[in-house]
Amino acid sequence: DAGVIQSPRHEVTEMGQEVTLRCKPISGHNSLFWYRQTMMRGLELLIYFNNNVPIDDSGMPEDRFSAKMPNASFSTLKIQPSEPRDSAVYFCASTLSGRLNTEAFFGQGTRLTVV
Amino acid sequence: TQLLEQSPQFLSIQEGENLTVYCNSSSVFSSLQWYRQEPGEGPVLLVTVVTGGEVKKLKRLTFQFGDARKDSSLHITAAQPGDTGLYLCAGVSLSGNTPLVFGKGTRLSVIA
Repeated sequence: DAGVIQSPRHEVTEMGQEVTLRCKPISGHNSLFWYRQTMMRGLELLIYFNNNVPIDDSGMPEDRFSAKMPNASFSTLKIQPSEPRDSAVYFCASTLSGRLNTEAFFGQGTRLTVV
Repeated sequence: TQLLEQSPQFLSIQEGENLTVYCNSSSVFSSLQWYRQEPGEGPVLLVTVVTGGEVKKLKRLTFQFGDARKDSSLHITAAQPGDTGLYLCAGVSLSGNTPLVFGKGTRLSVIA
């Protein structure tokens, strides 16, 4: 398996523009997580899905952020409109849920810069 | 909310030195995971410690889980430049069905 695949790797956009980040989890994994990483706040959980259903989105900072998982092999994280403070590295991770101590597999991340 | 505090936040050492980094919480965890993240990459799992007091070794890395399952340490012997990276600890809740809780990490730089 190729692992968790995220696209794009880098995104530079102007304030106010819509940004869409994409993630393909590992085949067979049924839990998917979106994280945001900054120097100040570390790795923050934004939202997670179990069997394509959003379980907890309390980490989503504002209504400008939304996430979808239309099927087991694809998820998107959208920011509209984007702001400079959204600049960060966004990671997608997948796991086999229902197992204690399960390992989280991360993608390579999308580095977002909003200017 | 379960929080994991990692220390030190930054560490810069010479090749060949030993070091220990810490991961502490006031909460009890089912288990604790350690990840290493290299620049431009996502975190990768190094080890999971499950039993209170457990010690696991991975070559020059020694991981220990506290007796009360609230804290953990990572000791690296004779550090090498290849050990450079961000070391993250992550706690698995007692129920096991909530997402991992990550610390902010220790950023290690090993200078040749």
